Parts: sequence; structure tokens; C-alpha cells
Amino acid sequence: QVQLVQSGAEVKKPGASVKVSCKASGYTFTGYYMHWVRQAPGQGLQWMGWINPDSGATNYAHNFQGRVTMTRDTSISTAYMELSRLRSDDTAVYYCAPNGVSAIIGLDYWGQGTLVTVSS
Amino acid sequence: SYELTQPPSVSVSPGQTASITCSGDKLGDTYSCWYQQKPGQSPVLVIYQDTKRPSGIPERFSGSNSGNTATLTISGTQAMDEADYYCQTWDSRSVVFGGGTKLTVL
Repeated sequence: QVQLVQSGAEVKKPGASVKVSCKASGYTFTGYYMHWVRQAPGQGLQWMGWINPDSGATNYAHNFQGRVTMTRDTSISTAYMELSRLRSDDTAVYYCAPNGVSAIIGLDYWGQGTLVTVSS
Repeated sequence: SYELTQPPSVSVSPGQTASITCSGDKLGDTYSCWYQQKPGQSPVLVIYQDTKRPSGIPERFSGSNSGNTATLTISGTQAMDEADYYCQTWDSRSVVFGGGTKLTVL
């Protein structure tokens, strides 16, 4: 079965960087774009971008360009999202979600989420 | 940038029909999805490609998308359906989410 296991919660100081991992299993990792979505406390879902695990190509949301880097390691079926120059309003749960694993158009599987807290 | 607008909240009595709308310019020209999210949980896809239900999603969930509005309809709403619901579409190569609607079953 499809599983997406994300790394554990992080506490960071303003200005630091955080790198969240997402280990995929149960499907062909390189066959489906991996999206990253975040959710601040009490707020809605905010799309951050995607990575094509096969080619490494990326597409970042305008709000995050210059601060976010998405990478992958195909040998261990793991995607990474690194966010730099953290601010307090980056405090959020960060999710990974591949697009269309079930041969559909949609984010049909989601990781469990990683809480990133930015606090001095 | 492209925007999707949802009502912040919708209330429904148990057993009745709940409708949640999602508005965007020419939204009907692209596919839309709907996600359900309960407190402390990851989102779950309940409708994809406007009208289709993933395996395991009850038949009481249905969707439509035409013109500028996509609609999620829950027939015979149950207490377990109380959750936040988000619409989503694609704009060029990017993903866009609506602001979310809190569905209260009372």
C-alpha cells in the first residue's frame, strides 16, 4: 500500500533553515510529481510547489520562490523540502503529497505532516 | 494569481443535504478536486476530476463543476462528515486551493 512517512517535528529560530523529508513506498516514486503543501495553525492549505522525482525539475509557488528548495534521492525514494530564512509565520504543518498515484488527477495520498515551529 | 473562493462556514442538519461552493474565473474549464480534513489529520481526497469519488469514499459525496463554480454535495449528511473542506484546481503548472469551508452538522 502507498505510504508517505515524513520526518519528525522541528523547532527552529528565525533566520534558520529547515529540511523536511518524505519517504515514499508502495508505488513507483519516479512516476508521480511530489507536491508540498503547508498549513499554518488554524489556517487553510497553502501549496508550495512540486518536484518531478524523475528529472528533478521543480515548480515553486511565487510566495516561496527564493526561499524553498525541493530535491529528491531516487535511491531511497525520498523527497525533501528545504525552507530557508525562516520567519515566525512559517510555523506550520508541512505535508508531502504525490499527484495521481491511483491514476487520477488529484493529490490522492498525503504524508502525516511535519510540524515546524519557528520561535526565538 | 488565480483565486478560489469558498464560504467560511456551512451548517446542515443530520440527514439533510449540504452544498459547499467554490468559485473561480472559468473554473469549469479545468478539473477540480475536493479534500476533507478533520482536526489533527491529513487531508483526504473525496472528489477528483469534478465528479469522481476515490475508492472508499461514500456515495453520499458528489461533485459538479460548471461555469465559474464547483460544488461539493453531501447527501444524507452524517455527524462524521463534520470537517473542513477544501476545493483545489490547477492554474497552468501550479496548484490552487480554496480558503476552506467548515461544515458543521447540528
